[in-house]
Amino acid sequence: DIQMTQSPSSLSASVGDRVTITCRASQSISSYLNWYQQKPGKAPKLLIYGASSFQIGVPSRFSGGGSGTDFTLTISSLQPEDFATYYCQQNYTFGQGTKLEIK
Amino acid sequence: QVQLQESGPGLVKPSETLSLTCTVSGYSISSGYYWGWIRQSPGKGLEWIGTIYHSGSTYYNPSLKSRVTISVDTSKNLFSLKLSSVTAADTAVYYCAREPRVVVVPAVLTWFDPWGQGTLVTVSS
Repeated sequence: DIQMTQSPSSLSASVGDRVTITCRASQSISSYLNWYQQKPGKAPKLLIYGASSFQIGVPSRFSGGGSGTDFTLTISSLQPEDFATYYCQQNYTFGQGTKLEIK
Repeated sequence: QVQLQESGPGLVKPSETLSLTCTVSGYSISSGYYWGWIRQSPGKGLEWIGTIYHSGSTYYNPSLKSRVTISVDTSKNLFSLKLSSVTAADTAVYYCAREPRVVVVPAVLTWFDPWGQGTLVTVSS
C-alpha cells in the first residue's frame, strides 16, 4: 500500500505569511494527489485535485504542485479564514493532516 | 447544486450493526459518479470506508471489508452504509461524499467532492 506522509504536522503562522505544506508518497503516484481543507466541526472541502487543478471557488492564493512522490500546497498570503487542518489524499489514502494555527 | 445528507442513529451498542443513509439532492445517482463513505475518529485523521457505483459495484477498505456493506437505492436517490460487529473503535464522524474519477490507464485519479456535513456515531452500551 502507498503511504502518504505530510509535513509538518502542525504549523504556526501569521496573517500575510506564505506557507507551504508538503505531502510525500511512499512510491510514485504521478499527479494523482488531492488537497482538502477542514475547519473544526465541518466536513473537509476539496481545494485541489490532480496535484494542481483548482476546485471551482478556491481562492487563487492557494496553489498545488509536484509530481511523482513529492507534492506541495502553498498559500501565498495567509488570510484569517485559512487557519484550518489540511489533508492530502491519494486514491483512498489520506495523509495524517497538517494543522495550521495562528501565531 | 449537489448536496448530501447523512442520517441514522447517533448511538449504537457494541457488537451491533451501524446503519447510515446518505440522501443526495440536486443530482440523480443513476446518472453516474461513484459515491463514498469516509469516517473520522475523534481528533484523528480521515479513513476511507468504501465506495459504490450507481450500478451497484462496490469497493471496500480491506481493513473493514469483512464488516462493511454499501448499497444504493436509485429510486430514492440514496446510498447506505452498514458496519457490523461495531466496537468503541468505530466511534467516529461518518461522512458521505460524491467521488468523481478520471481514468488514465492504468491508474485512476479519484477525489471526494462534495461532502455531507457528517454525523457522529458513538458506540457505547
